[in-house]
Amino acid sequence: KQEVTQIPAALSVPEGENLVLNCSFTDSAIYNLQWFRQDPGKGLTSLLLIQSSQREQTSGRLNASLDKSSGRSTLYIAASQPGDSATYLCAVPGGTALIFGKGTTLSVSS
Amino acid sequence: EAQVTQNPRYLITVTGKKLTVTCSQNMNHEYMSWYRQDPGLGLRQIYYSMNVEVTDKGDVPEGYKVSRKEKRNFPLILESPSPNQTSLYFCASSLDPQGVGTEAFFGQGTRLTVV
Repeated sequence: KQEVTQIPAALSVPEGENLVLNCSFTDSAIYNLQWFRQDPGKGLTSLLLIQSSQREQTSGRLNASLDKSSGRSTLYIAASQPGDSATYLCAVPGGTALIFGKGTTLSVSS
Repeated sequence: EAQVTQNPRYLITVTGKKLTVTCSQNMNHEYMSWYRQDPGLGLRQIYYSMNVEVTDKGDVPEGYKVSRKEKRNFPLILESPSPNQTSLYFCASSLDPQGVGTEAFFGQGTRLTVV
């Protein structure tokens, strides 16, 4: 059964720092991997979708990489800002559902 | 604007009083799904639908019902809510009928409290 792990569970950084969030999964036979952002009281916002044939996907200051063979993905956030403070979740398909990690809660201080 | 819309956003109800949480998407997606999110347990799938009149159980379906009479709507029904159904609920949709090959879009969530 697919399991998704995100480490660390929480991260605090000063504004301007570059940072990396980690996501690992146990079954490397995945179609894709998706990164989401969750703000308190708000829904899940899709940030990036990486197909299994891709190694990287970029959107603005965000860059996500995927290494299927090692069962890992990273989300790189450049020049972090206080507005980046949120919980970041990764998810992979498992059957007909998305299997989510428990998230990394990021706090960026000004 | 492409979106998944859930209503209500917040709901407090009493044990046993039937309620419905609505979900609508405007992207003509085949696949729709409901998840609940609980502290320490993460997001878990309740029910999903691959098309109109095609629904199936997810990992935690007990106490819930769904229907898919129209492509755009996928309501979640709690016939007799209990306190253990207090949770944050999310509706999702995606183009791929299997729900796994394309990007998933989520609603803003419904915070349900059952007292």
